[in-house]
Amino acid sequence: AQTVTQSQPEMSVQEAETVTLSCTYDTSESDYYLFWYKQPPSRQMILVIRQEAYKQQNATENRFSVNFQKAAKSFSLKISDSQLGDAAMYFCAYRREDGGATNKLIFGTGTLLAVQP
Amino acid sequence: NAGVTQTPKFQVLKTGQSMTLQCAQDMNHEYMSWYRQDPGMGLRLIHYSVGAGITDQGEVPNGYNVSRSTTEDFPLRLLSAAPSQTSVYFCASSYSWDRNYGYTFGSGTRLTVV
Repeated sequence: AQTVTQSQPEMSVQEAETVTLSCTYDTSESDYYLFWYKQPPSRQMILVIRQEAYKQQNATENRFSVNFQKAAKSFSLKISDSQLGDAAMYFCAYRREDGGATNKLIFGTGTLLAVQP
Repeated sequence: NAGVTQTPKFQVLKTGQSMTLQCAQDMNHEYMSWYRQDPGMGLRLIHYSVGAGITDQGEVPNGYNVSRSTTEDFPLRLLSAAPSQTSVYFCASSYSWDRNYGYTFGSGTRLTVV
């Protein structure tokens, strides 16, 4: 069974600086999808960025980028120029490619990011 | 376009009571699911459905029932509430055919069982 591990329960960053959140996963599959979700205090789950495993190029969305290392099964999230609004819980998630049979998302335990002014 | 609508947002139950958490989506998503979120444990899958009339168990199904009579609705029933079911519950939906789509989440229900 696939598992997703986020080894940093809490992180802190100064406003305008860069922070990297770690995520590793365990799978025997070659095709899959990876996601980072943000959960601010409002509780709403917001998709930040996604990565398809067969794409070697790392995904980027404005100040958010990933470092996808397929062989190492690592999928870290880098937040550049951190803003106060980035303070949230961040979840890494894995979805296998099974032809749409289940579409299950498997989540890590989350990293709580604090942004210091 | 409302997305995924969950009701209620907050609920307090007494041990042994039953209730239904409602979830509706208007995006014609085939796939719908229920997760519970507990501190330090991330989101864990309770039940899911790949289409009307088809449901299956996730990681933590005990104490919960679901049904999917329409594409739009996927209610979660707590049969006899227990304090261990105190949690935040999320409904999420997705297209079955687009695995890169991710999920659309509801705003969550905070349930307390006393």
